[in-house]
Amino acid sequence: KNEVEQSPQNLTAQEGEFITINCSYSVGISALHWLQQHPGGGIVSLFMLSSGKKKHGRLIATINIQEKHSSLHITASHPRDSAVYICAAPGRNYGQNFVFGPGTRLSVLP
Amino acid sequence: NAGVTQTPKFQVLKTGQSMTLQCAQDMNHNSMYWYRQDPGMGLRLIYYSASEGTTDKGEVPNGYNVSRLNKREFSLRLESAAPSQTSVYFCASMPGPYNSPLHFGNGTRLTVT
Repeated sequence: KNEVEQSPQNLTAQEGEFITINCSYSVGISALHWLQQHPGGGIVSLFMLSSGKKKHGRLIATINIQEKHSSLHITASHPRDSAVYICAAPGRNYGQNFVFGPGTRLSVLP
Repeated sequence: NAGVTQTPKFQVLKTGQSMTLQCAQDMNHNSMYWYRQDPGMGLRLIYYSASEGTTDKGEVPNGYNVSRLNKREFSLRLESAAPSQTSVYFCASMPGPYNSPLHFGNGTRLTVT
């Protein structure tokens, strides 16, 4: 069974700060997903990565498959980045399913 | 381009009542999922459907049933609601295996009193 952990659980930052959210998982995987859940509740997919690094605007995701670890970085953070960030790794028990981390709640203060 | 449409957005039920949550996607995805999200816990899988005509139990299926009516629609039914089913429910879809993005509906906030 794949367990997914995230740190920190909660994070408060000042606008402009560089943010790092960490994700670790217990079982070897082929791809990992980062999701963003807005304060209103909707969930959107940010990244899907299987190696190296991906960048989208101010967001950067990295993964180290050997160490079973991924990070999500936000450069020049802004209050609109305030959300819950969730990582998800493939599960092994229920077909093509995912195991989700508990999420990191980020608040960026102006 | 609606993506994943989930209804209703909010619902309050009394213990013992029944209801069906509807989910439809217009992206021709094969896989569809129903999750519940509870405070302090990650999304947990209730049921999934890997393709039209198939459904399977997930991690927390008790008290729920599903129907994959066609490729587009995947509904979740609570036959006799219980307070423990108070949660936020999300439908999601994916075109194929793990290396493709997940698409979520906007969620249904259900309260059972």
